[in-house]
Amino acid sequence: ETGVTQSPTHLIKTRGQQVTLRCSSQSGHNTVSWYQQALGQGPQFIFQYYREEENGRGNFPPRFSGLQFPNYSSELNVNALELDDSALYLCASRPLYASSYNEQFFGPGTRLTVL
Amino acid sequence: AQRVTQPEKLLSVFKGAPVELKCNYSYSGSPELFWYVQYSRQRLQLLLRHISRESIKGFTADLNKGETSFHLKKPFAQEEDSAMYYCALSVNTDKLIFGTGTRLQVFP
Repeated sequence: ETGVTQSPTHLIKTRGQQVTLRCSSQSGHNTVSWYQQALGQGPQFIFQYYREEENGRGNFPPRFSGLQFPNYSSELNVNALELDDSALYLCASRPLYASSYNEQFFGPGTRLTVL
Repeated sequence: AQRVTQPEKLLSVFKGAPVELKCNYSYSGSPELFWYVQYSRQRLQLLLRHISRESIKGFTADLNKGETSFHLKKPFAQEEDSAMYYCALSVNTDKLIFGTGTRLQVFP
């Protein structure tokens, strides 16, 4: 069963501000990915972290950055927020010994609104 | 370019009717394809993956490399199948590329 949690549930920021979103994966899930899901769209890959290092990045600017910690938690940081950053941000983790099937376990998401 | 296309935003059927949710992909390599589902007020979860050739909750999906398709099918829809369905392509096991999703509504 997935035990991926995310905080906060909802967040409202203003343009230009910075935000940190948090994710806690299950023990043993050493790979974490972040996705942005705009309204009416499918999730878009932001980046992935493996053993605390970035391991793949989607088409997002450098103001999107992340951290992964040894305790299976991770953060997504977004600087200089823009209105278009308003979206649901999803965290997904994968077990250490996952098969090549790439099954990822998703958290419930954080809804970010930028005013 | 790597891309997943789900042409239907909404698919409405009556209970007991057959369902086919369309998915087409664009990828030059050997694709790994998935269907993810999101029920109301629940998180995104894996429904099935092409490589395991399984049937989950009566749903099946066959990879057709010639037509670059991975359509999701169920012969008899149930009301509890109402949800948002996303087709996804795995690239280098690093990321999933999702389609825009199809909302399935099953009426009683």
